[in-house]
This record gives sequence, structure tokens and C-alpha cells, in this order.
Amino acid sequence: RKEVEQDPGPFNVPEGATVAFNCTYSNSASQSFFWYRQDCRKEPKLLMSVYSSGNEDGRFTAQLNRASQYISLLIRDSKLSDSATYLCVVNSDRGSTLGRLYFGRGTQLTVWP
Amino acid sequence: ETGVTQTPRHLVMGMTNKKSLKCEQHLGHNAMYWYKQSAKKPLELMFVYNFKEQTENNSVPSRFSPECPNSSHLFLHLHTLQPEDSALYLCASSPLPGGNNEQFFGPGTRLTVL
Repeated sequence: RKEVEQDPGPFNVPEGATVAFNCTYSNSASQSFFWYRQDCRKEPKLLMSVYSSGNEDGRFTAQLNRASQYISLLIRDSKLSDSATYLCVVNSDRGSTLGRLYFGRGTQLTVWP
Repeated sequence: ETGVTQTPRHLVMGMTNKKSLKCEQHLGHNAMYWYKQSAKKPLELMFVYNFKEQTENNSVPSRFSPECPNSSHLFLHLHTLQPEDSALYLCASSPLPGGNNEQFFGPGTRLTVL
């Protein structure tokens, strides 16, 4: 079973729409969770960490459900510049005493005018 | 230069060639990583270095040989690669190793093996 599973999409939404991405992770002992963003032909960059109580950064809201091992990212009022691939990332100590990051395949988002 | 830089940005090589990828970070971090990103697949961790010492080798074939002369530089030496090794190779760094730290990625080297 994969460490992190994501729906690859693509999601195609108009400007101003609200869109939500989900991912699930397999290691119940995972402690840290992140969303990274990767633009076309660019490197991944941290978008936001995901905290147990949920957290918001402007138009972006991240939620964590430990019981279901499920992470979500909500984007409100989508902008053209939000078009990118969104990577769900989980810190797991499986096979590593220091913990390491496991990346999902990414969900591709295209926002159209 | 700031952040994480990688050279070359693009590389085409034959299966019998020997080449090296270079990564340099200007962030004062102590941990550095090599990742492989193939089409339609998640990023795969290859190697982890902490204070110049290799702490993880994620079952990478020996045709990939990393080298970390100091905390700022990381190399990936390539020899007798296979066409399936064609991918984007990303270097990253973080203040300390482990998954609790944000990792900063370089722009990657897009490798094509003929």
C-alpha cells in the first residue's frame, strides 16, 4: 500500500470557484503533514503545514482527520495563478529513525478565466 | 546566489557515459537530499545526508553514487545508466534532517538516458 494516496485529477475550475483536494496516508503514527505546490516544470515549494486543529492561510484551508488518516486542502476564490500540482506530503518514521517525507503523486489544478 | 541551485539543468547521456549532477545550497542547512521524480509517479527519496554523513540510502542502484564533501554541496555521480533512469532529479536541503523540517528544493536536473 502506498504511503500517501491522492486523486491525480485533473481539476479544471473557473476563476472564483472553490475547490477541495483530499489525500489519505497509511502510517497512523505519522506526525507531520504538509501541502507542497509544484508549478509546471518547476520545483516543489511548501504551501502550508497542516495542523491537527486545522489551519488557514488566506484563501487556503488545510484540515487533518487523524482517525480517518485523511488530509484536505480547500482553495476559495480560485485565481489563475493557483494553477499548479498540489502535493500531499506526510512525515513518516517508517524505515527511518529521523522520519522522512513521503510525497503523493500530486493533484493537478487548472483555473480557467 | 540564494536558495538551492543545481547544475546542469538538462542532461542527455548515453548508457555508457559517466556524468555528475551538482547541487549547492546557500541556506546554511545541515541536511541535503536527492530525489527522483518520474512522470506520473511521486517523488522518490534516494539519499539523505546529515552534516556530510549519509544517513539514508533508499535502496538505490549502485549506478547512482552520491558524494557530499561539505554541508553546502552534494553531487550525484552517474554511470552505466538505463533508459528508465530518465527523470527529473531534485536536490533539497533542510535545517536538520527528518520529516518535521521544511525542505527547500532546487530547480532540478532533467536527465535523459539514451
